[in-house]
Amino acid sequence: NAGVTQTPKFRVLKTGQSMTLLCAQDMNHEYMYWYRQDPGMGLRLIHYSVGEGTTAKGEVPDGYNVSRLKKQNFLLGLESAAPSQTSVYFCASRRGGLGIDGELFFGEGSRLTVL
Amino acid sequence: GESVGLHLPTLSVQEGDNSIINCAYSNSASDYFIWYKQESGKGPQFIIDIRSNMDKRQGQRVTVLLNKTVKHLSLQIAATQPGDSAVYFCAESTGGFKTIFGAGTRLFVKA
Repeated sequence: NAGVTQTPKFRVLKTGQSMTLLCAQDMNHEYMYWYRQDPGMGLRLIHYSVGEGTTAKGEVPDGYNVSRLKKQNFLLGLESAAPSQTSVYFCASRRGGLGIDGELFFGEGSRLTVL
Repeated sequence: GESVGLHLPTLSVQEGDNSIINCAYSNSASDYFIWYKQESGKGPQFIIDIRSNMDKRQGQRVTVLLNKTVKHLSLQIAATQPGDSAVYFCAESTGGFKTIFGAGTRLFVKA
């Protein structure tokens, strides 16, 4: 199993450009998440999904959109990139269900630089 | 609101010594806590978890302690090894949907 795969791993954008980060998981997990990690800080939740066709806002959702058209994929879009969105983005997934806890499985990260 | 913080941003220990990494949380409704390890250039990896109905849980060389009275979580690593050098995050979850992370502690292991 590949686990959680993120593409691309590196990307440089100019201010105002748009792009999409793709996350794919092969563990049949219900829940998927997008986090961003800035230097010296922890991970902040951008958006998450508890199932195909559903999405919800996290701690820092502004400037981002997401879609979960297929259970195995979770896309993160930047509509108009800003330098403040320079960060490392991590996708994660976990099994879901009412009252079910569990650890997150993370991808290797996508480093985005906005000039 | 929900927040998870750490007492110390960096910790330096001698190889073979025990390490203790502390974490404070503010949401008394949190019912599930997890410790993650993040090595340079990689995504966080699960170490150990604990539910709010427990106060201690042991794994291989790691122990997590939970004190709900003071909303404090700690990770103990026995016989710390160079391979333990990494950033450690505590995280909390309430109701199972969102997982909120703290800022992290960087552990340096001196040979």
